[in-house]
Amino acid sequence: GENVEQHPSTLSVQEGDSAVIKCTYSDSASNYFPWYKQELGKRPQLIIDIRSNVGEKKDQRIAVTLNKTAKHFSLHITETQPEDSAVYFCAATSRAGKSTFGDGTTLTVKP
Amino acid sequence: GAGVSQTPSNKVTEKGKYVELRCDPISGHTALYWYRQSLGQGPEFLIYFQGTGAADDSGLPNDRFFAVRPEGSVSTLKIQRTERGDSAVYLCASSPSNSYNEQFFGPGTRLTVL
Repeated sequence: GENVEQHPSTLSVQEGDSAVIKCTYSDSASNYFPWYKQELGKRPQLIIDIRSNVGEKKDQRIAVTLNKTAKHFSLHITETQPEDSAVYFCAATSRAGKSTFGDGTTLTVKP
Repeated sequence: GAGVSQTPSNKVTEKGKYVELRCDPISGHTALYWYRQSLGQGPEFLIYFQGTGAADDSGLPNDRFFAVRPEGSVSTLKIQRTERGDSAVYLCASSPSNSYNEQFFGPGTRLTVL
């Protein structure tokens, strides 16, 4: 089955700096890669996603890149703000719809 | 409109008891997913429904776990003979179809098995 590894597990940055979170996946059949933000005690919420026929996608301060050959994808957050502090999860989704999540990255943005 | 809802929000039970967890997806969403999330980990896939049928139940840990979605809307996750290791937050999500679509998560049910 699919295996998703996410790094780093914790990340601390100064406000205004950039943050990068990386994920690798094992199943070449995975074709949809969402990123979720989860605040303490709350539900995961989608922040950005990318499909396997696209290499990069950007939405304001957030961008995601996908390298299908290497089976890795990354989340980039620029100009970080304290409200970006949360746990971020990547996921790899197969054509059949099953999603495998990484173990999460706890991002702390220091004012 | 209303998002995904789950009941109860918290459930405390004793080892060996039977529990049912309910998920109300967003109206019109054909795909419904159940996940289990333990502290410090990502959601772990349990089962996925497309309409009334279980399209993939490969994540159910053993035969104590069972889920139904008889009318293609509300789903119930059933756990028999609960064990302390079943304690976790059980998340439900729905999407308009299967792949390539955002999954909208419910608030979860926190299950504690004493």
